[in-house]
Amino acid sequence: DIQTTQSPPSLSAFVGDRVTITCRTSQSITTYVNWYQHKPGKAPKLLIYAASNLQTGVPSRFSGGGSGTEFTLTITSLQPEDFATYYCQQSFSTPWTFGQGTKVEIK
Amino acid sequence: EVQLVESGGGLVQPGGSLRLSCAASGFTFSDYSMNWFRLAPGGGLEWLSYINSISDIIYYAASVRGRFTISRDNAKNSLYLQMNSLRGEDTAVYFCATRSQQLDAFHIWGQGTMVTVSS
Repeated sequence: DIQTTQSPPSLSAFVGDRVTITCRTSQSITTYVNWYQHKPGKAPKLLIYAASNLQTGVPSRFSGGGSGTEFTLTITSLQPEDFATYYCQQSFSTPWTFGQGTKVEIK
Repeated sequence: EVQLVESGGGLVQPGGSLRLSCAASGFTFSDYSMNWFRLAPGGGLEWLSYINSISDIIYYAASVRGRFTISRDNAKNSLYLQMNSLRGEDTAVYFCATRSQQLDAFHIWGQGTMVTVSS
């Protein structure tokens, strides 16, 4: 199974800050990584697919990058509605695995 | 409105069974493969099971293989998860989601249903 690891587990930031979350996989997966946002009691939301492609309707302040074994999700100018938990997920092979999540909190 | 709504969660004793349902609306359910996931307290998202559009390809995570069974009824726009031999570590919020073959990602999700396994 491909191990998927995220860092940091949590972070505190101000509205307007730039935030970067890192995801690493135990083997090369080219660009087979997706990013999701989850708020308590809500449906998870797909933000980025295939490492760097913005899902329809997602604000352009979200961006993804990386390839191989290291990937990033960046939020430029953090907005109040962005405080949530973010997960990366590898789609290279089953079992599809997620990182443990990064909780973004208000500072 | 495109929507997935899970139901069937609740409190069950260890060793017991529960059947979750996922009702789809607002899109052509039979066009998509479907999946179950869970989010345990203090944990991260875990993929559990996949079923393709015509139910002839099914996958399970090792943690639930042999205990859980995924199925679907395209005529009823519904997905199911039969959960047997439940354990305390199965306590979680359970979600269903579509998988987009084009995006290679899970792109429509439900809000989840809570399952608590406790005596």
